[in-house]
Amino acid sequence: GAVVSQHPSWVICKSGTSVKIECRSLDFQATTMFWYRQFPKQSLMLMATSNEGSKATYEQGVEKDKFLINHASLTLSTLTVTSAHPEDSSFYICSASLQGANYGYTFGSGTRLTVV
Amino acid sequence: AQSVSQHNHHVILSEAASLELGCNYSYGGTVNLFWYVQYPGQHLQLLLKYFSGDPLVKGIKGFEAEFIKSKFSFNLRKPSVQWSDTAEYFCAVNAGNNRKLIWGLGTSLAVNP
Repeated sequence: GAVVSQHPSWVICKSGTSVKIECRSLDFQATTMFWYRQFPKQSLMLMATSNEGSKATYEQGVEKDKFLINHASLTLSTLTVTSAHPEDSSFYICSASLQGANYGYTFGSGTRLTVV
Repeated sequence: AQSVSQHNHHVILSEAASLELGCNYSYGGTVNLFWYVQYPGQHLQLLLKYFSGDPLVKGIKGFEAEFIKSKFSFNLRKPSVQWSDTAEYFCAVNAGNNRKLIWGLGTSLAVNP
């Protein structure tokens, strides 16, 4: 089945530094990817939708200059958290929309970001 | 605005008990409906989905869900839960041509052995 590989699975960084999270579709082409943030014991909050070769569409309240999304190829989308602060600590999940009439979504395993 | 409501936030059951988790959505047009499960420490997995056809959908691991259009509902059921069903369950809706998923807040299910 369609697999999305997300790396790293966890990262600890210092305040003020930037962190890049990668999401790769391993056996299919992902024209659309979604980036979510999940707080403990809560639902997924959609941050942005990225389409290959175009600018990402950010949800209201999400700072696009802080959460940089690049979807340069059909198999790779990246999320860079710039100038990270402790409040950016969270679980970040990517998801790819699959093709076909009865499409679905496949999810990465998530990245636990801790900013100290 | 479109929204998804999951009524049960925390559910505790004993093994072999029956399960029903509620999910209601607000959108007047065509919808696609999903239930996802997140086991502790793992990524989201699709339990089942509904696009069209038979409103009673069978999923993996003995789960099923029924789409009742008149009630805007897509409740998840399992006749006999197991300890291994302990997880977070999320209902999600995709409306119209927009591939964005609208998520419910999730239900935490704990099954006691």
